[in-house]
Amino acid sequence: KAGVTQTPRYLIKTRGQQVTLSCSPISGHRSVSWYQQTPGQGLQFLFEYFSETQRNKGNFPGRFSGRQFSNSRSEMNVSTLELGDSALYLCASSHTYGNTEAFFGQGTRLTVV
Amino acid sequence: QKEVEQNSGPLSVPEGAIASLNCTYSDRGSQSFFWYRQYSGKSPELIMSIYSNGDKEDGRFTAQLNKASQYVSLLIRDSQPSDSATYLCAVNPSGTYKYIFGTGTRLKVLA
Repeated sequence: KAGVTQTPRYLIKTRGQQVTLSCSPISGHRSVSWYQQTPGQGLQFLFEYFSETQRNKGNFPGRFSGRQFSNSRSEMNVSTLELGDSALYLCASSHTYGNTEAFFGQGTRLTVV
Repeated sequence: QKEVEQNSGPLSVPEGAIASLNCTYSDRGSQSFFWYRQYSGKSPELIMSIYSNGDKEDGRFTAQLNKASQYVSLLIRDSQPSDSATYLCAVNPSGTYKYIFGTGTRLKVLA
């Protein structure tokens, strides 16, 4: 059974640019969550999607957005990149939303220069 | 007060010993608790989930939950050098469907 797939694995962008990250969940899983991991802040929740609807949102500015498609694949977009957006972005897949086990993809390492 | 707190470590234990990792949380109504292991440069890997008070065992791992005292712990028996990693505690606070992670405890198992 394939795991959670995130693309790309590594990305270098310039300040002010925008970026789109992709996540394909485990087959049969319908919930996708996104997290930002930095050495200083640890793992922080960005948002969660279930059945193409955003169910939960963390405390991040509106520059961070996402969406989920009918096949449960999800994309995350960050506009007007800042140096502080450099982080490991992790996607987690769950069978449904709420109180269930979440399985992480390998992450996308974003570097903003 | 942080929502989920863990000692950052490092916690050093000799090979073959029991490693005890602790986590406290602030939301008394939290219902779901998870332990993840993260090797350097890798993504978190789910080790255990626990939902009820008491112990839950899976191989060399035992998760312990005490909702009255608001703590959850992870015991690793017969620790191996390959267990050296950062262990993350995650909690699902009441009324939400998001997971709050602690900053993790770095474990070093000495051969």
